[in-house]
Amino acid sequence: AQKVTQAQTEISVVEKEDVTLDCVYETRDTTYYLFWYKQPPSGELVFLIRRNSFDEQNEISGRYSWNFQKSTSSFNFTITASQVVDSAVYFCALSEGIKAAGNKLTFGGGTRVLVKP
Amino acid sequence: DGGITQSPKYLFRKEGQNVTLSCEQNLNHDAMYWYRQDPGQGLRLIYYSQIVNDFQKGDIAEGYSVSREKKESFPLTVTSAQKNPTAFYLCASSADRVGYNEQFFGPGTRLTVL
Repeated sequence: AQKVTQAQTEISVVEKEDVTLDCVYETRDTTYYLFWYKQPPSGELVFLIRRNSFDEQNEISGRYSWNFQKSTSSFNFTITASQVVDSAVYFCALSEGIKAAGNKLTFGGGTRVLVKP
Repeated sequence: DGGITQSPKYLFRKEGQNVTLSCEQNLNHDAMYWYRQDPGQGLRLIYYSQIVNDFQKGDIAEGYSVSREKKESFPLTVTSAQKNPTAFYLCASSADRVGYNEQFFGPGTRLTVL
């Protein structure tokens, strides 16, 4: 069975501080996908990034960066120079296999990020 | 604009009633999903469908039913058998292409049992 753990339930920072969200996953598959989603107060989940198990290259997109380490089963997410608009709940998710569609997502419990002005 | 719509946004149900939540997508996605989210928790999969006229149970299917008669639509019925239906329900869809399987979500329906 697959499992995703986000140990941090809530993180509070002051604007312009960096925030790193931890995600640890468990899976028996050798091929899988990892995702990060953002859930603002409106409730709708917004897709941020997908990473497959073959690609351990870290990525930076604007103020967001991701650190995928297969050896430690971790897929951490960093927000640099946080802004009030970054306040949301962030979810890490895992999909087993490389089948295109119909892959079930297993979500972590989420980390609430509160950025204070 | 392409996207996923869910209706209604808020729904109130009396105990013992069945209610149906609507989910429509115009993204031409083959796969659709229903999730339940309880306060302060992650999402749990209720049902999913990879193709029209076919669907599979997720982790918490008891007390729910679905249909997939059209590619664009995947309605969820919360039956009276669901013991604790008060929750936030999210519908999602994904493309049937390897490497592009991220799920896109609708705005959600908040169901409250009175």
